[in-house]
This record gives sequence, C-alpha cells and structure tokens, in this order.
Amino acid sequence: GAGVSQSPSNKVTEKGKDVELRCDPISGHTALYWYRQSLGQGLEFLIYFQGNSAPDKSGLPSDRFSAERTGGSVSTLTIQRTQQEDSAVYLCASSDPSRQGNEQFFGPGTRLTVL
Amino acid sequence: GENVEQHPSTLSVQEGDSAVIKCTYSDSASNYFPWYKQELGKRPQLIIDIRSNVGEKKDQRIAVTLNKTAKHFSLHITETQPEDSAVYFCAASLYNDYKLSFGAGTTVTVRA
Repeated sequence: GAGVSQSPSNKVTEKGKDVELRCDPISGHTALYWYRQSLGQGLEFLIYFQGNSAPDKSGLPSDRFSAERTGGSVSTLTIQRTQQEDSAVYLCASSDPSRQGNEQFFGPGTRLTVL
Repeated sequence: GENVEQHPSTLSVQEGDSAVIKCTYSDSASNYFPWYKQELGKRPQLIIDIRSNVGEKKDQRIAVTLNKTAKHFSLHITETQPEDSAVYFCAASLYNDYKLSFGAGTTVTVRA
C-alpha cells in the first residue's frame, strides 16, 4: 500500500514568512510524528499525535511552531515568521501502536530553506 | 527527558569486516531501542529493534545487544558490504511513550 507522503518536497521561503508543511500518514496508523533533521544532524522530535489524545508538543522549539491533525489523518506543521535557523528537512512518520514494536514509517521529508 | 548519545560519528570499514556502533541512554525506564538506517537522500527505515526484556537480537548480518545495567546498546554489522554504507541512528523510548529520542547518527562507509 501507499507509504507516508509529504508535500511539498522542497520549500524556499523568505525570512519572516509563514510556511505550511503537509503529511499524509499510512491509512489506519493512529500515531503521527514530526521530526526535524538539520544538515548532518540527528532527528529532533517536534510533536506527536496519538488518536484523539492531546498531542505531545514537548519538542516544539518555539511558539512559532504549531501542528494540527484533522480527522485523525492528515497533519499540517506550520512555522510562523520563519527564521534562517528553521532551515532543515522536516520528516513526518506514522505508526500503528497496537502492533508490537510500534515501527515508525517515515515520509520522504520536506526540505525547507529560509533565505 | 531521554538523552541518547551515539558513537562514533563516522566509521570507515573494509568490505567484509565488522562494524560496531554504540549508544547510551539516560533514562532507566526506557524499554524500546530501535535502529534506523538512512541511505543518502532517502528516508530513515527501521532495520532492527530490541526491547528491554531481551539482551540480544539477530537478523542475518545485523545484531543488537542491550545492557540495561549500564544503559547502553550496540549495533553489530558483520561481513559488511557496500550497500551497508549509510547513516545509522539509534533511538530509545519510554514505556507507553511512543516518541523516540534519537542519537546523532553514525555515517558508515564500507570501502571496497
């Protein structure tokens, strides 16, 4: 079946602009995660949605970052008033926590460049 | 929160030799330790994982060991091949908390 998809694949924006990044998880996966990967760095947890529970926002770096998940499926990560240090690849992942191991399946990422 | 440290940051091995990557974690409550492989320009993919009730797990040429007392776990790749060249990430999560804390990654290069 289809894997996790993300759009756009690349986004170039000017400092101070707002951007929206979209994630379509695997159908039936109730858990959805956003990570940030800066050049040559590891994966930094941003936010996690599980079913109808309140999201875990503990990884969001500032109040300029927010995310929502509508209808338990598609998620949008919004970055307001972008800064150059926001430039990174933003990865989305989804999983089915009812399965042993809870493997997270990653999307291809959105490469964000803030000029 | 959980803090995962990974060493080395880069590793170059001759084809056919073994590669070992080590990770330590800070929270003794962590009980799930997956390893992800990210090839250049591609998304991370799970290659093996281990739970805290198991000390070792093998899958063909890869194995993972876990030492709960010392709070460290390792990835072992035997008989390395060029297609093993990639960035490898270890991760840890707490019981019933599915978000993963990742290590900084190890870039493995297998020399032909």
